[in-house]
Amino acid sequence: SQTIHQWPATLVQPVGSPLSLECTVEGTSNPNLYWYRQAAGRGLQLLFYSVGIGQISSEVPQNLSASRPQDRQFILSSKKLLLSDSGFYLCAWSFRDRRNEKLFFGSGTQLSVL
Amino acid sequence: GQQLNQSPQSMFIQEGEDVSMNCTSSSIFNTWLWYKQDPGEGPVLLIALYKAGELTSNGRLTAQFGITRKDSFLNISASIPSDVGIYFCAGSGSAGGTSYGKLTFGQGTILTVHP
Repeated sequence: SQTIHQWPATLVQPVGSPLSLECTVEGTSNPNLYWYRQAAGRGLQLLFYSVGIGQISSEVPQNLSASRPQDRQFILSSKKLLLSDSGFYLCAWSFRDRRNEKLFFGSGTQLSVL
Repeated sequence: GQQLNQSPQSMFIQEGEDVSMNCTSSSIFNTWLWYKQDPGEGPVLLIALYKAGELTSNGRLTAQFGITRKDSFLNISASIPSDVGIYFCAGSGSAGGTSYGKLTFGQGTILTVHP
């Protein structure tokens, strides 16, 4: 069966510091990968998605970037965090072809930028 | 862009009561999904619906894909304390026609169950 791992679970960072959140998927090959942000426990906003290694699409302009160095690894980064980057970040995966709208989420990272 | 209106925004019920929530859209969707999110966790998929009119159950949960393809509802029967959480609907218009799962999420229904 497939599993998704996301870490860290919580993170407190000062404004202006860098960020790196990591997500890995096990038990499947060639997944689609996604980064979402959730503000105040409601409303999931798609930040990035990837359909293959090195292929990143951004849904909204922002202070963040994403990379996919390996097939089942997805990284969310920032060079300098802003206060507005605080939130709950969720990684998700789906199958590449059929039923690719069926997303499976990781356990999330609560990021607080102070 | 596509938007989903999910209602109610919150519900406070007694244990044992039935719950009903729904999502409506101005656009047609080809897939409807319902997720539950516990505090501090990621959403967990409850039910996926792929055909207009489809009625699917998962234990005490029942969801339906509206015949117009613009709405869906989720019912929870005989609620228990562990049903507490945020329930999200999500719609997809891609039907596999795009290379990735493009979902539109509702704003969620916060469910509180009093013992």
